[in-house]
Amino acid sequence: QITLTESGPTLVKPTQTLTLTCTFSGFSLSTVGVAVGWIRQPPGKALEWLALIYWDDDKRYSPSLKSRLTITKDTSKNQVVLTMTNMDPVDTATYYCALDSGSIFDHWGQGTQVTVSS
Amino acid sequence: EIVLAQSPDFQSVTPKERITITCRASQGIATSLHWFQQKPGQSPKLLIKDASQSFSGVPSRFSGSGSGTDFTLTIDSLEAEDAATYYCHQSHALPRTFGQGTKVEIK
Repeated sequence: QITLTESGPTLVKPTQTLTLTCTFSGFSLSTVGVAVGWIRQPPGKALEWLALIYWDDDKRYSPSLKSRLTITKDTSKNQVVLTMTNMDPVDTATYYCALDSGSIFDHWGQGTQVTVSS
Repeated sequence: EIVLAQSPDFQSVTPKERITITCRASQGIATSLHWFQQKPGQSPKLLIKDASQSFSGVPSRFSGSGSGTDFTLTIDSLEAEDAATYYCHQSHALPRTFGQGTKVEIK
């Protein structure tokens, strides 16, 4: 059974750095072709892709957010971490991690809500 | 960036109706187009992958078609539990992009 669980702070202040952790089970991020991605969704709005990390440690980012994002993995802990610097109220959203199997987000976590406010 | 435009934005339908949601890509994406269902307070769930392949466990009333730039999601004999927002998503090229969503309401 594949599960993904996001964790991190629910409230951050403007200009702070957000660190989110995706802890997963049921698959290995060292398997060829596997990746984990982050996607966010502001309240009442559409989904927005943020970043991907592949089994071979290749990393890809949304061009509009690339300067603020860092994605890393710890294969031994079955975790993927996303950091986003210089948080702003417009970054208020639910943040999801998802398993990317062959370029398809086929399993998602339940999401974690992040509010940016002073 | 590949832009995905869905239509309609909103649809109100009665149970047992058949509905079609379209997704148009700003450039050709072969069949690298996937459909998700998202109910309020839940994470998105994969319905259709690679334009027309049903994901495991998805009811047979959901089907997809298309290639290139034009795609459709069809729900036959709509049920009350199908009330949700539906999103298309392309994995043909980075950055990965999603459509703006189509909200389906059951009358």
